[in-house]
Amino acid sequence: ETGVTQTPRHLVMGMTNKKSLKCEQHLGHNAMYWYKQSAKKPLELMFVYSLEERVENNSVPSRFSPECPNSSHLFLHLHTLQPEDSALYLCASSQELLADGDYGYTFGSGTRLTVV
Amino acid sequence: AQSVSQHNHHVILSEAASLELGCNYSYGGTVNLFWYVQYPGQHLQLLLKYFSGDPLVKGIKGFEAEFIKSKFSFNLRKPSVQWSDTAEYFCAVKAGGYNKLIFGAGTRLAVHP
Repeated sequence: ETGVTQTPRHLVMGMTNKKSLKCEQHLGHNAMYWYKQSAKKPLELMFVYSLEERVENNSVPSRFSPECPNSSHLFLHLHTLQPEDSALYLCASSQELLADGDYGYTFGSGTRLTVV
Repeated sequence: AQSVSQHNHHVILSEAASLELGCNYSYGGTVNLFWYVQYPGQHLQLLLKYFSGDPLVKGIKGFEAEFIKSKFSFNLRKPSVQWSDTAEYFCAVKAGGYNKLIFGAGTRLAVHP
């Protein structure tokens, strides 16, 4: 385990369903991220939360709705998805405010989402 | 907008061969650069990083990368690969505030015994 836990590991959902992805970190980090990983494409940054406040939303469709209730938890709520949304969704966390500039991410193992 | 380009999508090598994976970025300011690795079925993990100082950076498992500012490049190298190096490798650049990392598309490396 990396210290960043994502559940579920696999999810199959219909286009009319509503589901949520969960991410949890107990590393004391103050920033959390959602990325989408599709085959043969760069990891796409979706959302950035810093100190529980959303600071970045990279033109993500409204059918994806993030929530960060506290610094340890991050959710991605899904509704009326499309088949092209099938991908691996990765959560990451980092400690932004370190004086030594160590900006490395800790990634979770991801949720493999299939939209049918 | 910042971007990262990885030239090779797939690389196939025999054990003991030398490896060089290309990475170019587009960003005019001060950069922080990273290489991440994803072994089959595992999470992304940090291989090495560059912030400042010596442009030749050494990472885990015998990997190194060289930052060449004039070429906007940060290529990953290993003198002699092993079968266990089979993985996907991602180059990334820290862009702007809030520690936002921009990733390349990845290079899938297969090492044959």
